[in-house]
Amino acid sequence: DIQMTQSPSSLSASVGDRVAITCRTSQGISNSLAWYQQKPGKAPKLLLYAASRLESGVPSRFSGSGSGTDYTLTITSLQPEDFATYYCQQYYSPPLTFGQGTKVEIK
Amino acid sequence: QVQLVESGGGVVQPGGSLRLSCAASGFTFSNYGIHWVRQAPGEGLEWVAFVHYSGTKYYADSVKGRFTISRDNSKNTLWLQMNSLRPEDTAVYYCAKDRQQLAPFYSDYWGQGTLVTVSS
Repeated sequence: DIQMTQSPSSLSASVGDRVAITCRTSQGISNSLAWYQQKPGKAPKLLLYAASRLESGVPSRFSGSGSGTDYTLTITSLQPEDFATYYCQQYYSPPLTFGQGTKVEIK
Repeated sequence: QVQLVESGGGVVQPGGSLRLSCAASGFTFSNYGIHWVRQAPGEGLEWVAFVHYSGTKYYADSVKGRFTISRDNSKNTLWLQMNSLRPEDTAVYYCAKDRQQLAPFYSDYWGQGTLVTVSS
């Protein structure tokens, strides 16, 4: 199974800040990585897929980068509605695996 | 619009069984693979199972041999039969539509989830 290491597990930031969340996989996954946002009591929402492709309707302040085993989700100019938990997920090979999550809190 | 509505959750004793349902609408159900993903209280997301458009199935090791995913394309419905339930199966269970038909990829639409509690 492909192991996912997501960091940090939580962070505090202010509105307007630039935030970066990283996801490291135990083997190369050829950009087969998705990012989700989840708010309390709600289902996850797809943000990006193929490591860097923005899902339709998602604001352009969200971006993804990386290759091989190291991937990054970046949020430029954090907005109040962005405070949530973020998960990475690999789909290179089953079983699909998720990162542990990063909770983005208001400073 | 795409809708996925889960049902069938509840409280069950360890060793018991439960069958979850997911009713889909707003898209051509038979053209897409569908996942079950769960989330234990206060914890992260865990992929459980996937069935592709014509029935090939994949399972997480933690549920293999105990859970069975199935679908009926004529009824736009997905099921998860859960047997030999354990306390660690306690979670909100989400059904989620895949972007593709065949191999499990990523999920572009999710239901609201149904809570399963395994406790004596």
